[in-house]
Amino acid sequence: NAGVTQTPKFQVLKTGQSMTLQCAQDMNHNSMYWYRQDPGMGLRLIYYSASEGTTDKGEVPNGYNVSRLNKREFSLRLESAAPSQTSVYFCASSERARQALSYEQYFGPGTRLTVT
Amino acid sequence: QKEVEQNSGPLSVPEGAIASLNCTYSDRGSQSFFWYRQYSGKSPELIMFIYSNGDKEDGRFTAQLNKASQYVSLLIRDSQPSDSATYLCAVNMKGQGFSFIFGKGTRLLVKP
Repeated sequence: NAGVTQTPKFQVLKTGQSMTLQCAQDMNHNSMYWYRQDPGMGLRLIYYSASEGTTDKGEVPNGYNVSRLNKREFSLRLESAAPSQTSVYFCASSERARQALSYEQYFGPGTRLTVT
Repeated sequence: QKEVEQNSGPLSVPEGAIASLNCTYSDRGSQSFFWYRQYSGKSPELIMFIYSNGDKEDGRFTAQLNKASQYVSLLIRDSQPSDSATYLCAVNMKGQGFSFIFGKGTRLLVKP
């Protein structure tokens, strides 16, 4: 049981290049998320997918697109990378807890992206 | 603008002491509250969550919630050097189960 996995772990892009960050979870969770974490800014939600077949914008969606490929996989695409997108990207998944009041999120190991 | 505020620290405590980490939130509609621990260079790891006023204990950790004061805290008893990390507070709004607002985190240092 690997939990949440992300690839790649590190990536360097030049401005204007595109790439896709991959995320997969094996916990049979319905919901998946993409966050970015910047120094002094905390975790900010980029996009989320409440269930297979649906995606919604989070706090900072500009410059990104997502695809919920199936229940396990949720990818994040940068179409034209910019230096402002240099960050650590975390994927997470969650399921509603038994008490039905909380969504316990479990995070992947992260991708460190540098855009030059 | 919904906000979650934490003191950035570092909060320095001696080994064996109680560490108290605090978090305030702006939206009274907030329903569930989470504490995550994040070691340097690693991903956030869920410690515990709370959604009812009062205390919730799990081993050395106690979460405290006061909705009237819009305040949630995490107490770590018998602090160990291995507890040195950044602690993130996250808030989930009622009716928006997929919308989490994270604080910027408090860095805790436990000195031997």
